[in-house]
Amino acid sequence: DARVTQTPRHKVTEMGQEVTMRCQPILGHNTVFWYRQTMMQGLELLAYFRNRAPLDDSGMPKDRFSAEMPDATLATLKIQPSEPRDSAVYFCASGLVLERMGNIQYFGAGTRLSVL
Amino acid sequence: SQELEQSPQSLIVQEGKNLTINCTSSKTLYGLYWYKQKYGEGLIFLMMLQKGGEEKSHEKITAKLDEKKQQSSLHITASQPSHAGIYLCGADTGRRALTFGSGTRLQVQP
Repeated sequence: DARVTQTPRHKVTEMGQEVTMRCQPILGHNTVFWYRQTMMQGLELLAYFRNRAPLDDSGMPKDRFSAEMPDATLATLKIQPSEPRDSAVYFCASGLVLERMGNIQYFGAGTRLSVL
Repeated sequence: SQELEQSPQSLIVQEGKNLTINCTSSKTLYGLYWYKQKYGEGLIFLMMLQKGGEEKSHEKITAKLDEKKQQSSLHITASQPSHAGIYLCGADTGRRALTFGSGTRLQVQP
């Protein structure tokens, strides 16, 4: 049963520490998305990659966030330094996005981040 | 203003009742996607609508797309406690990524 795997599921850290979240997309999918979900803002797109190349990271605070895809089986989202306002659930999603076809995204279970 | 408006924000229904959730976009739709989320879990894909007038059903859930009105509706017939959760609509407005509504929280009382 193919699924998107995210690690860790939960992370509690102190302000100023580096946080790394990992995502293993579904094999064969060409697009990976990072979202952040909070009660106030809902689900927000942070960045996404197509064939491992970053296409859009306009939703991401550039000074402290970075997203990479070192290979087709791993996407990472880093926050350095972390701040309390970064506390949220971070979701990774992957999909096979083709021209004139659908854009169905499959979500991981999320990483719940608490920055104290 | 929000690109995607969902209504209602929350809904409590008695088991067996029908209900409808609406999603309206302020931009042209190239695709409309419905997801369900349970607390502490990721989003589960329900249905994708791409063409005006398109209607899809899965078990007791039906979704429709009105392209002219830039609107979609999700209808649940004879609701069950298993339908409880948060329903989110996501829209592809040409960006090739989805913008999501704020969600509709559904409770089904036995």
